[in-house]
Formats: sequence, structure tokens, C-alpha cells
Amino acid sequence: DSGVTQTPKHLITATGQRVTLRCSPRSGDLSVYWYQQSLDQGLQFLIQYYNGEERAKGNILERFSAQQFPDLHSELNLSSLELGDSALYFCASSEELGKESPLHFGNGTRLTVT
Amino acid sequence: GNSVTQMEGPVTLSEEAFLTINCTYTATGYPSLFWYVQYPGEGLQLLLKATKADDKGSNKGFEATYRKETTSFHLEKGSVQVSDSAVYFCALRPSSNTGKLIFGQGTTLQVKP
Repeated sequence: DSGVTQTPKHLITATGQRVTLRCSPRSGDLSVYWYQQSLDQGLQFLIQYYNGEERAKGNILERFSAQQFPDLHSELNLSSLELGDSALYFCASSEELGKESPLHFGNGTRLTVT
Repeated sequence: GNSVTQMEGPVTLSEEAFLTINCTYTATGYPSLFWYVQYPGEGLQLLLKATKADDKGSNKGFEATYRKETTSFHLEKGSVQVSDSAVYFCALRPSSNTGKLIFGQGTTLQVKP
């Protein structure tokens, strides 16, 4: 158990809808990362927060947004969903920003857009 | 830019065979290197790491050595088991202070009894 909790585990929704994915980092970790895993794209970095502030942005679509709250949990909002957004979405956390600190991953939320 | 390249899978081995999964990287500065493993239906688990040149990371019989001269971090195991069947990801964390991990495309390992 990595200590990173993601909810829900599965989400099925229709095109055009909006969903929210939630992540609770490991106790004490200040940094949260979101990744998208799809069959054809592999693991793509979406966005990173550190202690409530956006730290880095990857290939995140404008239809997607995220935030980190004062209690350090994070939410990823996906709107105007398309079939191609179907993927596994992972949250990870780390204690520090330094390169030696590994990321610890949750078990992911599987999103299916029909 | 920073990138990671892994050997294409799937890799199919018999139980007790020797495993090598190749990983090479491109990076500025001195990144840290990681191997993660993803079992079916689960998230990514940290397998091992190395933070500077010539470091050897090891865990559960797996090893990888950070080779700066060849920009490589190949994963090895002397004797694989059926339970090692999974997808293995090589990743680097740049020396800059953004913190994100950059992953290779993953290599599927299938071990047959």
C-alpha cells in the first residue's frame, strides 16, 4: 500500500459530461502529481502541485483543470469529455521536490467515456 | 530535452531464466533514475532507484546500475518467477527542481512456468 488514495476506482460517463477525480496524498507529502495512462500514449504527465501552488504543467488539455486544497488533497476536473479521454488516471505524491525523492502512486481511477 | 527509451516488449521468459530490460535516457544535468513495476489492475510501485552515477539500486532480486557513460539503467534479475509478470517502467527525475517523473513506454514481461 503506497498510502496514496484515489477515488473513485471506476467511473463510467457519457461524452460531454464533467467528472471529478480525487486524490489524497501520503501523510506528510506536499507535492501531488497527476498522470494519464492510455494504451497508445503511455504515461503522460498532466500537472503538479506543491503545497497548494501549481508547480509544473505537462500535456494537460484546456478542458482539464486541477487544484490542491489546504489539507493537501487534490482534485482533477475533466469536462466536455470525449471518447479519447478514456484512460487510467493516476495520482502520485512525493515528500520533496528534490530529484532523489521518489513518487508514490495510487491505484488509479479508470475512466470510461461512452 | 529529457526522455527515456525502453526496449520494446513483450518479453517472454521461462521461469528461472535471466532477465534484462534495457533502458537508456537523455537528460541534462544529473538526473535520478527509477524502475517502477505495474501488476495487472494495480498502480505503479517503486522497484528501485539510483541517484548518482555508478549507484546500484536493488530490491526483490532486481538490480540496475546507473551508467552515465552509456546513459543507461538496465534492469536485471538472475532468476525470474511467474509472479514477476508485470509491466516495468524506467523513469528519470531531472536535476531541475520541477520534481516530475519522465517515463519510458513500459516493457511487458510474461514469465511462463
